[in-house]
Amino acid sequence: GNSVTQMEGPVTLSEEAFLTINCTYTATGYPSLFWYVQYPGEGLQLLLKATKADDKGSNKGFEATYRKETTSFHLEKGSVQVSDSAVYFCALHREYGNKLVFGAGTILRVKS
Amino acid sequence: DAGVTQSPTHLIKTRGQHVTLRCSPISGHKSVSWYQQVLGQGPQFIFQYYEKEERGRGNFPDRFSARQFPNYSSELNVNALLLGDSALYLCASSPDRGGDWDEQYFGPGTRLTVT
Repeated sequence: GNSVTQMEGPVTLSEEAFLTINCTYTATGYPSLFWYVQYPGEGLQLLLKATKADDKGSNKGFEATYRKETTSFHLEKGSVQVSDSAVYFCALHREYGNKLVFGAGTILRVKS
Repeated sequence: DAGVTQSPTHLIKTRGQHVTLRCSPISGHKSVSWYQQVLGQGPQFIFQYYEKEERGRGNFPDRFSARQFPNYSSELNVNALLLGDSALYLCASSPDRGGDWDEQYFGPGTRLTVT
């Protein structure tokens, strides 16, 4: 079946450090891939997406590239801020309809 | 524009009881999906409804049911509550433009605690 595996957290970084959160997936065919962010007390927000191999999604300084050969969609940011502290979820969409399959989430803590 | 709203925000129930959670989608959105997020895990898909019809169902027991009303709002019902039903229940709405994928907009969730 379809599944998503993320690196375990929490990830703790100092402000302006480089961020990588690893995400790999298992799916038949070619799923669409997403990163969602959940700030404390809020719902999930779509951060970025990629719908086909080699696509790069980007938003608010975050980037992720759809790598079919390694079935990966790692999230990166060159310089994190305290305001980036949140839980980040990698997800895929493969089937008809709106069903998303999520990873377990990675807590990011950024210290000033 | 208002986002997706859910009520109540928090809820405490006893094992064996029944609970109803409510969701109002973004104006103009016709599709509503429900997810369960257990502490420390990612959200798991429960249901999707579109135009009052069930379009998809996740791997949840029959104790879980839902419906969508003519105004596109939705209710999630859970019967015979178990301790393991304690979770954040998320509702997401999407415009459903007829394609294979629509961006989903999530509400803040309802935190259900079963004691």
